Amino acid sequence: AQSVTQPDIHITVSEGASLELRCNYSYGATPYLFWYVQSPGQGLQLLLKYFSGDTLVQGIKGFEAEFKRSQSSFNLRKPSVHWSDAAEYFCAVARGGADGLTFGKGTHLIIQP
Amino acid sequence: GAVVSQHPSWVICKSGTSVKIECRSLDFQATTMFWYRQFPKQSLMLMATSNEGSKATYEQGVEKDKFLINHASLTLSTLTVTSAHPEDSSFYICSARDQSQTQYFGPGTRLLVL
Repeated sequence: AQSVTQPDIHITVSEGASLELRCNYSYGATPYLFWYVQSPGQGLQLLLKYFSGDTLVQGIKGFEAEFKRSQSSFNLRKPSVHWSDAAEYFCAVARGGADGLTFGKGTHLIIQP
Repeated sequence: GAVVSQHPSWVICKSGTSVKIECRSLDFQATTMFWYRQFPKQSLMLMATSNEGSKATYEQGVEKDKFLINHASLTLSTLTVTSAHPEDSSFYICSARDQSQTQYFGPGTRLLVL
């Protein structure tokens, strides 16, 4: 079975600074990869996804992620964070498009003024 | 586009009663919907896969007689928690998969069983 590891439970970043959230997965083949954001009282919003092709994926709100097969990683990045980016971020994988998602435990992002 | 709604957003019920939660894809058809459970400050755990017109597929450890799933149309799936007990209190979230194989999530339903 596949698994997802988000090693950082909390991350604190100053507003305007760059951000990288780590995600590692365990799966025999190339899975479908996703990043979602969950704000308090709101549902999960899809930031970006990777199925195949270009390993650098652009998403919404200025986020991007890079799939690195050799490292089994799919890290999320943003060059300059805004206070509104404070939220819980989840990395998720699926074996295929028809399958449910396996989520990491999430990373709580705190933005310092 | 790609909006998924859930109803109710929260519900409080007495132990032993049944609760039905609806999940609707508002602007697209979804042959497959998924039900997840999220405990406080934890991640989402997949409970079951709901396929339109067929029986749901449950993950290991999820009681199918406890959590009844019906996917009667391409835009509606329902989860019924039968004979609810306090340990069933949780945040239940559904998702609907569109033709691009992307899952869009509903806002969730918070269930409190007294």
